[in-house]
Amino acid sequence: AQKVTQAQTEISVVEKEDVTLDCVYETRDTTYYLFWYKQPPSGELVFLIRRNSFDEQNEISGRYSWNFQKSTSSFNFTITASQVVDSAVYFCALSGAAGNKLTFGGGTRVLVKP
Amino acid sequence: AAGVIQSPRHLIKEKRETATLKCYPIPRHDTVYWYQQGPGQDPQFLISFYEKMQSDKGSIPDRFSAQQFSDYHSELNMSSLELGDSALYFCASSFRDFNNEQFFGPGTRLTVL
Repeated sequence: AQKVTQAQTEISVVEKEDVTLDCVYETRDTTYYLFWYKQPPSGELVFLIRRNSFDEQNEISGRYSWNFQKSTSSFNFTITASQVVDSAVYFCALSGAAGNKLTFGGGTRVLVKP
Repeated sequence: AAGVIQSPRHLIKEKRETATLKCYPIPRHDTVYWYQQGPGQDPQFLISFYEKMQSDKGSIPDRFSAQQFSDYHSELNMSSLELGDSALYFCASSFRDFNNEQFFGPGTRLTVL
């Protein structure tokens, strides 16, 4: 069975601070995909990033960056220089090679204060 | 670019009533997924279809059924509604390849009174 754990339920920061969201996953698949989604108060799920299990290269995309470490089964996500519009619930998700359904973590609510 | 369309966006029903949620995938996408997100919870996978056949099943109640039609749109039918069915229902679509990029619709918010 697949499992995704986001230990942080809520993080509160002041604008321009960096925010790092933790994600730990469990899977028996050797090939899998990891995702981060953002859910603003309006409710829609916004795709942010995707990584496959063969690519541990960490990247930066604008103010977003991620740290994928297969050895510790972690896929952490960082927002640099946070803004009020970043306030949302962030979900880490996992899909395996079979079925492709997404297993979500419990989400981390990020509150960015002006 | 065209996105996933869900209708209705909001739905209010009484207990024991039925509801039908519709999902129109992105053109040329052949796979549809349904997820249920209760208040303050993460989305939970319900069911998926590939080329009009059920491809996977999650924790979908027996009171719910779904299908994918020849035009690839999908409908989620919910009967004998309960208060606990109040949730945000997401549909996602993808083109079944190995990249598994699912595109989510805006969701249907169902309220059962």
